[in-house]
Amino acid sequence: NAGVMQNPRHLVRRRGQEARLRCSPMKGHSHVYWYRQLPEEGLKFMVYLQKENIIDESGMPKERFSAEFPKEGPSILRIQQVVRGDSAAYFCASSPPMKQVGSPLHFGNGTRLTVT
Amino acid sequence: AQSVTQPDIHITVSEGASLELRCNYSYGATPYLFWYVQSPGQGLQLLLKYFSGDTLVQGIKGFEAEFKRSQSSFNLRKPSVHWSDAAEYFCAVGANDYKLSFGAGTTVTVRA
Repeated sequence: NAGVMQNPRHLVRRRGQEARLRCSPMKGHSHVYWYRQLPEEGLKFMVYLQKENIIDESGMPKERFSAEFPKEGPSILRIQQVVRGDSAAYFCASSPPMKQVGSPLHFGNGTRLTVT
Repeated sequence: AQSVTQPDIHITVSEGASLELRCNYSYGATPYLFWYVQSPGQGLQLLLKYFSGDTLVQGIKGFEAEFKRSQSSFNLRKPSVHWSDAAEYFCAVGANDYKLSFGAGTTVTVRA
């Protein structure tokens, strides 16, 4: 009964490079959510996706960040031209198709991005 | 804007003793409120949630929390702590059940 799988667990990038973070939701789940945890802060919502659709991206930075959840394969959070301020833990969560209000989100273990 | 403050970064409690974790939030309307727990090497697990109705909510693992609108608080309690409760606890507030802002967390250490 695999949970939400995120990879890699740790990612190191130099300034200016691209970072790609992957999230495979729980089996049977079709909603994916990305959160970011900056150092010394709590997680904050970034984006909510369903298969091939962005539902809510109100928490995404306006530039350099994008997310997708294709029909096949994992959800990808992409950060272009990374800067030191992007260093954080990025968490993914998923929920089932017929999600009821208040039903729990299932979180992965996160990807720790370090920008050098 | 919504925000959460967990005033205690670290709490140490003896096994069998009671535990209370504080959570204060800032939000314009009635918020969705959650407590999550993260054990070492594990993902976040939902302990309990509040949307409306009875202000005292029961969760899993013997935890409960009370919503106090006048104090903008949602404190988590457990009457008798077990060694397996050692973990990091996060309070979260949101306009709905996914657009959440989490506190920075409280680490609980349980001593024998």
